[in-house]
Amino acid sequence: DQQVKQNSPSLSVQEGRISILNCDYTNSMFDYFLWYKKYPAEGPTFLISISSIKDKNEDGRFTVFLNKSAKHLSLHIVPSQPGDSAVYFCAASADYGGSQGNLIFGKGTKLSVKP
Amino acid sequence: DTAVSQTPKYLVTQMGNDKSIKCEQNLGHDTMYWYKQDSKKFLKIMFSYNNKELIINETVPNRFSPKSPDKAHLNLHINSLELGDSAVYFCASSLPIDSANTGELFFGEGSRLTVL
Repeated sequence: DQQVKQNSPSLSVQEGRISILNCDYTNSMFDYFLWYKKYPAEGPTFLISISSIKDKNEDGRFTVFLNKSAKHLSLHIVPSQPGDSAVYFCAASADYGGSQGNLIFGKGTKLSVKP
Repeated sequence: DTAVSQTPKYLVTQMGNDKSIKCEQNLGHDTMYWYKQDSKKFLKIMFSYNNKELIINETVPNRFSPKSPDKAHLNLHINSLELGDSAVYFCASSLPIDSANTGELFFGEGSRLTVL
């Protein structure tokens, strides 16, 4: 039973356009959400996070939106760049900050940004 | 300088063998983890150690034994390897929760284990 779902395994976007990656979750106890980015043969790296007390968090070209009633979050990248091509993992925790490690990860969405 | 490093990156071995994957972090973090990415691409936590003490031990077979000689190292030893153990294993570390810390995980590059 997947508690964190990324229903789109892949996404292709033109350079300069907006990339929108979606994530749905089922556990209403989740109070903290993170996005990780992963290049081939490398470990995931932290991108951006949001706690459940907010509905938006922005960091440069990256914005995460959280809709608690819909149990849905999305990552917006604008403008998209070829270097953004990677696999993006959504993760959720019922333990704020997730420092106890019990993050639940989605399967990931492979983003391809074409020049 | 690699913050979280794991060795080896690739490991091919026969069923029934015993193998170890080493992990070291130079970030001064108190907490270290082992995650497994299975064939379905899910990342699942296996173990979590805080200052050399086991915190989380998910439903992992007893054949998997983590060892933390000090807080900068968390090694994973696997006995009697099985075909289903084939996966990518990620080591990670994090800072403790406080008002200034998001608790983000810093991952190693992963160790791809193939059991034949």
